[in-house]
Amino acid sequence: AQSVTQLDSQVPVFEEAPVELRCNYSSSVSVYLFWYVQYPNQGLQLLLKYLSGSTLVKGINGFEAEFNKSQTSFHLRKPSVHISDTAEYFCAVRGRGAQKLVFGQGTRLTINP
Amino acid sequence: GAVVSQHPSRVICKSGTSVKIECRSLDFQATTMFWYRQFPKQSLMLMATSNEGSKATYEQGVEKDKFLINHASLTLSTLTVTSAHPEDSSFYICSAAPGTGGRETQYFGPGTRLLVL
Repeated sequence: AQSVTQLDSQVPVFEEAPVELRCNYSSSVSVYLFWYVQYPNQGLQLLLKYLSGSTLVKGINGFEAEFNKSQTSFHLRKPSVHISDTAEYFCAVRGRGAQKLVFGQGTRLTINP
Repeated sequence: GAVVSQHPSRVICKSGTSVKIECRSLDFQATTMFWYRQFPKQSLMLMATSNEGSKATYEQGVEKDKFLINHASLTLSTLTVTSAHPEDSSFYICSAAPGTGGRETQYFGPGTRLLVL
């Protein structure tokens, strides 16, 4: 079984500042890792995913994440945020060969002008 | 590509009635579809996994007789909330995957907000 912990429920930052949203996971098997973004009253949109290979993954909207196996982390980063990045961000994990996605609790990113 | 739609986007119904929500993969064949439930300011909780042509697999604590799932084709899955009650009010989100597992990513629909009066 897998579990995901997003360490911050809310992250407020100023526009054009850098941001890091933290995600740690636990699993007894190898995993695939995902970050999704949810805008108000909408479904989830895939930001990026780690399947294998390079541990630094680049996604849409200028986001990137780094898989750290020893620390079982998959933190999401963006060097300069924009007002439009205000949303809920979910980290998710899936065991290899499994179908089920397990989500973290979500982090609400608020961008202040 | 990889677009998933849901219908309706919002529904209000009276307590005791049944509500059907459709989930469609528009530009790919979805061997597997998933139904999630999301309460306000909370994460997504998987309700069930359905593979085309077979019975859905429900998560622990989800009543299969209350939440009927049908995945009759590779592009359509339906969730029927039977005899809905106010506590069933929630945001229901479906996702679809083109394969049965492995590397395939789940693509999410826009969600359906259900309000039971």
